[in-house]
Amino acid sequence: EIVLTQSPATLSLSPGERATLSCRASQSVANYLAWYRQKPGQAPRLLIYDASNRATGIPARFSGSGSGTDFTLTISSLEPEDFAVYYCQHRSSWPLTFGGGTKVEIK
Amino acid sequence: EVQLVESGGGLVQPGGSLRLSCAASGFTFSNYAMSWVRQAPGKGLEWVSTINRSGDTTYSADPVKGRFTISRDDSKNSLYLQMNSLRAEDTAVYYCAKFTGPYGGYGDYWGQGTPVTVSS
Repeated sequence: EIVLTQSPATLSLSPGERATLSCRASQSVANYLAWYRQKPGQAPRLLIYDASNRATGIPARFSGSGSGTDFTLTISSLEPEDFAVYYCQHRSSWPLTFGGGTKVEIK
Repeated sequence: EVQLVESGGGLVQPGGSLRLSCAASGFTFSNYAMSWVRQAPGKGLEWVSTINRSGDTTYSADPVKGRFTISRDDSKNSLYLQMNSLRAEDTAVYYCAKFTGPYGGYGDYWGQGTPVTVSS
């Protein structure tokens, strides 16, 4: 099973600041990695797929990078709706796994 | 508009059974893999099970293997999760998700979730 480790666990930032989230895989997943945002009480929403592709309707302030074992989600300028929990997920092999999440909170 | 609506959750005693359903609309259901993902209270996301577009291949996480069965009925645009021998640790909100490809991928659309509580 591929373990995905997200860091930091919590990120305290102000609106308008840049957020940088990390996801590290226990073995290579090539570029088969996605990022989701989950607001409180809501289902997750797909942001980025295959490491760097924005999903439908996702604004340009979200970008993804990385390959192999190290991946980054960058939010260039935080909007109020971006204060939420972010998860990474791989599709490299079965079982699929999610990272433990990074909470982006208002400083 | 893609819609996924789960139902069937509730309170069940340890050792009991539940069948979750997910009604899909707004896309060609038979073209995509479908999955169940759960989230225990205050915890992260956990993949549970995936079924491919044709329904002849399924994958399940180790904690639910042999107890949970995923299935689909393309004539009804519906996804199911039969859950047997339920344990306290199965308590979670269960999400139905449309996946991006015919055999797996990522969840590009999700339902609102149905809560399952396993307790005596």
